[in-house]
Amino acid sequence: GQNIDQPTEMTATEGAIVQINCTYQTSGFNGLFWYQQHAGEAPTFLSYNVLDGLEEKGRFSSFLSRSKGYSYLLLKELQMKDSASYLCAVRVHSGAGSYQLTFGKGTKLSVIP
Amino acid sequence: DVKVTQSSRYLVKRTGEKVFLECVQDMDHENMFWYRQDPGLGLRLIYFSYDVKMKEKGDIPEGYSVSREKKERFSLILESASTNQTSMYLCASSVRGSYSNQPQHFGDGTRLSIL
Repeated sequence: GQNIDQPTEMTATEGAIVQINCTYQTSGFNGLFWYQQHAGEAPTFLSYNVLDGLEEKGRFSSFLSRSKGYSYLLLKELQMKDSASYLCAVRVHSGAGSYQLTFGKGTKLSVIP
Repeated sequence: DVKVTQSSRYLVKRTGEKVFLECVQDMDHENMFWYRQDPGLGLRLIYFSYDVKMKEKGDIPEGYSVSREKKERFSLILESASTNQTSMYLCASSVRGSYSNQPQHFGDGTRLSIL
């Protein structure tokens, strides 16, 4: 089976930097995704890692270590609109020759003035 | 932009009813997925399909079935709705490639209440 852990809630100050961690134990690892989900809305794609290292995309960066089963999402220069849930999802091969995502329970980030 | 459209944002049904949730995508994606999202439990995969008329069980398929007669449309069916199926249901689609960096794209969700 798959197991993905991330903190339930975090609070950070506007303008600051926050790091959201995700650890996973899976078989058939084939990439890790981060999604952002505002309350009452659909999840939207933020980043993708399949090789070890850091991927940077504007204010957001994501890091992966496959040997440690560990990823983090780094948000810089926090803005109030960054208040949302952040979902870590691991892609694994399915038996059907395709793949599926297994999601963590999400980290609710609150940005305060 | 990819567009995944779910037929209803809010739906109220009664226990024992047969319920249909519809999802349509406009990007010719091979893969389509149905999830439910509950507080404290996160997103859980119910069923997915990687081609027309093909379906695979996810993590929590009990009480549900699916239908994919056309590539763009994926339906979730609650055969006999029960109160524990009250939830937010999310549909998603993606290209098929196993090594693709293309993500799943989600619809806005259907909040289903079973009374």
